[in-house]
Amino acid sequence: QQPVQSPQAVILREGEDAVINCSSSKALYSVHWYRQKHGEAPVFLMILLKGGEQKGHEKISASFNEKKQQSSLYLTASQLSYSGTYFCGTEDYSGGGADGLTFGKGTHLIIQP
Amino acid sequence: KAGVTQTPRYLIKTRGQQVTLSCSPISGHRSVSWYQQTPGQGLQFLFEYFSETQRNKGNFPGRFSGRQFSNSRSEMNVSTLELGDSALYLCASTPSVGQIASRTGELFFGEGSRLTVL
Repeated sequence: QQPVQSPQAVILREGEDAVINCSSSKALYSVHWYRQKHGEAPVFLMILLKGGEQKGHEKISASFNEKKQQSSLYLTASQLSYSGTYFCGTEDYSGGGADGLTFGKGTHLIIQP
Repeated sequence: KAGVTQTPRYLIKTRGQQVTLSCSPISGHRSVSWYQQTPGQGLQFLFEYFSETQRNKGNFPGRFSGRQFSNSRSEMNVSTLELGDSALYLCASTPSVGQIASRTGELFFGEGSRLTVL
């Protein structure tokens, strides 16, 4: 079952902050975040492995609440280069090996000057 | 270092035909996975190969198959094409599994093969 991402789309002015949420109905082992620009391949941002863990990537950080099976991606002081579609991918405990990532449907982020 | 290369980039087929897509992973990467991307469903996992063995398969019909060669290059095949198979097919490679705690490590995606079925 796909994780649910919210919002589906967001438009911001350069310099504003954004939060993208990813929620699953399953107990999660890890959460992965990717960004895909139009016509390009998805690019890895970060992996969160432990409950409550927060990781950062430049001005992009994320948290993982294992108890709520939720992750949030925080984009601070957004730049034009942040525009794109953000996907969360989840791993749950149902499989014994590599099950592949189950991705959400994505959040479209548009940054305007 | 060259990235993941997928061929062909674009192709058009008709219903009932079959198609083979190719993926060359980053040098040294032994795991290759395939995803189908559509506007309605987003990215959906097809299967993963490691050392020429399929490690796992997503929830797709048997018309979708794949294989991996000894040089880690991978192919996927879709037989008896349907209109709903129109999608961007993405290949991703990762270094040898087991090196990090996550079962699925950082995925390095290719730019995809865009399949249109008429």
